[in-house]
Order: sequence, then C-alpha cells, then structure tokens
Amino acid sequence: SYVLTQPPSVSVAPGQTARITCGGNNIGSKSVHWYQQKPGQAPVLVVYDDTDRPSGIPERFSGSNSGNTATLTISRVEAGDEADYYCQVWDSSSDHDVFGGGTKLTVL
Amino acid sequence: EVQLVESGGGLVQPGGSLRLSCAASRFTFSSYWMHWVRQAPGKGLVWVSRINSDGSSTSYADSVKGRFTISRDNAKNTLYLQMNSLRAEDTAVYYCARVWVGLDYWGQGTLVTVSS
Repeated sequence: SYVLTQPPSVSVAPGQTARITCGGNNIGSKSVHWYQQKPGQAPVLVVYDDTDRPSGIPERFSGSNSGNTATLTISRVEAGDEADYYCQVWDSSSDHDVFGGGTKLTVL
Repeated sequence: EVQLVESGGGLVQPGGSLRLSCAASRFTFSSYWMHWVRQAPGKGLVWVSRINSDGSSTSYADSVKGRFTISRDNAKNTLYLQMNSLRAEDTAVYYCARVWVGLDYWGQGTLVTVSS
C-alpha cells in the first residue's frame, strides 16, 4: 500500500517560514491535499490539488509537489498556526485514500 | 454553511457492533462523495472508507474491509458506517467528511470505544 512520510515535528519562530514535507513514491504524479488540525477540533482543508487554497485560507499557506516530495509552506508564521498538519492523496492502484502520519508545528 | 453531524458512538465490547450516522444539511448531499476517517486517541488521521454519490461504489481500508460497511440514504441526507466484529484497535473518534477537491467539510466526530 502507498505510504506517505511526514516529519513528526517542525519548529519555527514567529514571522519565519515553516516548511512541512510529505514524502511518497512519485508523489509528484498525484494530487496532494493538506489539512490543519488544532487540539479538540476537526481537521480543516488548507491546500488542495497541490497548490490551491480554499476560500478563507490565508495566502500565507501554499503548497508544491514534485518528484517524491510535496511541501506545505506557511509564511510569516503566527502563534495561531500551531497545529498538526496532515497530507493526503488518493492512490489509484489500490483505490484507497491515504494520510501521512502528521506533523506537529510548534511556534517558538 | 454546510453541516455534518455524526452520532451513534459509544462504548461497545470487543466483537460487538455499532452503527454510526452522519446527518448532512445545507448542501445537496446526493451530489457528493463522502468519507469516514478515524483518529485514535493521541494519534493521526486514518482513512476508513469512501462512498460515491449514489452509493453504487465503495472502498475500504484493509484494516476494516469485511467488518465495516459504508452506505447512504440520499432521501434522508444521511451517511452510515456499520461496524461489526469490533476490536480494541477500532477505538477512535470517527469523522465523516464531504469530498469536493480534498475533504472540504468535516463533522465534529463521534467517539467509539471498544473495551470490555
């Protein structure tokens, strides 16, 4: 089955840029979606189809996807961005959806 | 605003059954594919199952295939997850989510605890 690998944690100072990676075999050929989840809350879609943002999501959130790595980039990080972030793809070979293990973003 | 409300969670003994429901409102439910996603306490998101808009096509994670059944009643705007032969490792918050591009709306989840 298809596996997505994320770093368990990323730390960044306020105002800096956070980059959260999602690794998978030839992930660049798939559409990657990213979710933000704060404690006690349901996940929220922050980036879809590699690079697009749903309405209401700040422009500070952006995504890229190439080769074996997709990346969620959060610019000018704020304290309110502290959360768990998950990547997700659909694997056509198994017809299964897959989530990465999640990355905890800590704002120092 | 789109609303998804899960119900049916609770405490069940190993080997038991439970049926979760997800009541949808404020959108045309019959036009959207739907998913169930679960999250064990302190752990990450895990995809469980998916159903297409008219219920004719489904898919399941290997860990639940043969034990769980996803279904929907478009007349009642409701998504279901029938869970049989429950195991301790099925303990989790279960979320229903709507598919647009990515899972754009999620319910607040319902907790299922499998324990004797």
